[in-house]
Amino acid sequence: AQSVSQHNHHVILSEAASLELGCNYSYGGTVNLFWYVQYPGQHLQLLLKYFSGDPLVKGIKGFEAEFIKSKFSFNLRKPSVQWSDTAEYFCAVNAPGANNLFFGTGTRLTVIP
Amino acid sequence: DTGVSQNPRHKITKRGQNVTFRCDPISEHNRLYWYRQTLGQGPEFLTYFQNEAQLEKSRLLSDRFSAERPKGSFSTLEIQRTEQGDSAMYLCASSLAGVSTDTQYFGPGTRLTVL
Repeated sequence: AQSVSQHNHHVILSEAASLELGCNYSYGGTVNLFWYVQYPGQHLQLLLKYFSGDPLVKGIKGFEAEFIKSKFSFNLRKPSVQWSDTAEYFCAVNAPGANNLFFGTGTRLTVIP
Repeated sequence: DTGVSQNPRHKITKRGQNVTFRCDPISEHNRLYWYRQTLGQGPEFLTYFQNEAQLEKSRLLSDRFSAERPKGSFSTLEIQRTEQGDSAMYLCASSLAGVSTDTQYFGPGTRLTVL
């Protein structure tokens, strides 16, 4: 069965600090990978996605993620966070041909001004 | 706004009552998904449709749950004889199948509270 692990439940950073949120999945085949963000009071929004090709993918708002197949990881990064990045971040996985997403439990990011 | 919409946004009901939620997907999207999210968890898949056909159901979807998408456009999710454990956020997502980037776009959700 597929599962997604996000080990950081709550991360607190000061503005301008660098961010890395971990995401590991357990699936041996080819996967599609996503990061979604949920700002306070808003719905889930797609941050970035990886389907194939360059394992370093860039998303909106300066976020990027690197797919490392050997580590089954898809960590999210941002070099300098802003207060407006305060949100919950979800990693999600599906296998090609599988239609549903498997989500991690989410990481709550709090950025202190 | 051309995103996914869901109604109602909030529903409070008493245990044992039936509730129905509606989801309107992005207009050209042929796939529609229902997920459930409880506090402190990520969304969990319930079911999905391609056009009007319900193609997959999760084991989470008990017999009390039923979903329809009669004309391949909007969808409804009904919960019969609600239980307190049904309290959750019910999320709808849609996507366009048949393209390389089958990306799901989520609606704002319906928050159900069962008293």
